[in-house]
Amino acid sequence: GQQLNQSPQSMFIQEGEDVSMNCTSSSIFNTWLWYKQDPGEGPVLLIALYKAGELTSNGRLTAQFGITRKDSFLNISASIPSDVGIYFCAGQLKDSNYQLIWGAGTKLIIKP
Amino acid sequence: EPEVTQTPSHQVTQMGQEVILRCVPISNHLYFYWYRQILGQKVEFLVSFYNNEISEKSEIFDDQFSVERPDGSNFTLKIRSTKLEDSAMYFCASKLAGSTDTQYFGPGTRLTVL
Repeated sequence: GQQLNQSPQSMFIQEGEDVSMNCTSSSIFNTWLWYKQDPGEGPVLLIALYKAGELTSNGRLTAQFGITRKDSFLNISASIPSDVGIYFCAGQLKDSNYQLIWGAGTKLIIKP
Repeated sequence: EPEVTQTPSHQVTQMGQEVILRCVPISNHLYFYWYRQILGQKVEFLVSFYNNEISEKSEIFDDQFSVERPDGSNFTLKIRSTKLEDSAMYFCASKLAGSTDTQYFGPGTRLTVL
């Protein structure tokens, strides 16, 4: 089945550092979403991308939808303690109105 | 801001028992979804629902699972005879309409099957 390959699996960074994570796939997506999940809670939408090449920011977060519609990255600038959590990419397949395909998540841990 | 709500937040049940997980999607949304997430793993799609019928379902969504929209506000997931491996977080999501609308997720129900 379709898969999203998300990397890295986890990141240990210092507060104030920039963070970068990405997702790739062999499938074409018409929508690409980045979610953050805190322990015991549901995923919360951070950024939604709809157009190939689209670059979108949400505060310190920036995400881009790849030109081929098969990949995306998420950057977090100047990380702060509340950025800790698991970040998931999720894609909605081209010609599909239904399920989201999810990456395995990137766990962000900030060293004090 | 409107949000998806789910009840209960935590359900503990004995293997073989039936459970019903409840969701109230955002009021003007038209597409509804159930996903599950086994502890420490990725989110997995179960089923999507539109216009009072199932639009798509995954291999996980076998005959033990069913969904219903019994009234204009609730969207339920029923597991007829729970198994140990059904223990997971179950997330409901809803979407307004159209292929570019995003899915908004509820806080989840943690199901523990003993």
